[in-house]
Amino acid sequence: NAGVMQNPRHLVRRRGQEARLRCSPMKGHSHVYWYRQLPEEGLKFMVYLQKENIIDESGMPKERFSAEFPKEGPSILRIQQVVRGDSAAYFCASSLEGGPGNTIYFGEGSWLTVV
Amino acid sequence: AQTVTQSQPEMSVQEAETVTLSCTYDTSESDYYLFWYKQPPSRQMILVIRQEAYKQQNATENRFSVNFQKAAKSFSLKISDSQLGDAAMYFCAYRSGADAGGTSYGKLTFGQGTILTVHP
Repeated sequence: NAGVMQNPRHLVRRRGQEARLRCSPMKGHSHVYWYRQLPEEGLKFMVYLQKENIIDESGMPKERFSAEFPKEGPSILRIQQVVRGDSAAYFCASSLEGGPGNTIYFGEGSWLTVV
Repeated sequence: AQTVTQSQPEMSVQEAETVTLSCTYDTSESDYYLFWYKQPPSRQMILVIRQEAYKQQNATENRFSVNFQKAAKSFSLKISDSQLGDAAMYFCAYRSGADAGGTSYGKLTFGQGTILTVHP
């Protein structure tokens, strides 16, 4: 039973380019979450999605960042016109249901480096 | 807004000994969940233990146990018989249990982390 799968694991982008991070939740999970971990810090919530819907995007930067979880296929976190400050580890997580009693399982993260 | 504070940036323990990692949190909610996650050098986030606020009994998972003091808003993690594989960054996290139209459920609020070193 595969866990949360993220790719790419490592991504290097030049300033101004676009970064796309993909996340396939655990089998049967329809709730996906994205978190960002800056160097030497804890994880910070970005967005919570259910199939085709954004449930909570209160942690998403207002510009350049977007996320989707289509009916078919993985969830995508998209960062346009990347800047050095976007360099971080981006973690995707999933849960079977959305209730607070449901365990959130994390992927291994995608490391974005902006040069 | 909820906050989670881990006041120990680094801790160390001898193999086979016991160590306690501290965590305090601030919330006005009565219904919530608390978690300890482990992040080893591989950087994957691994759930260690969880505690429901409505349960008075402290959670245990093998060598890991918590001391949950709801009134004091304290949630410490005790690791008994420490092993070399326990070396990692440990994060305390809070999750609301309140029904806010579902929007609060996905948000885990993490502390700053404690780096645990285990000496052989």
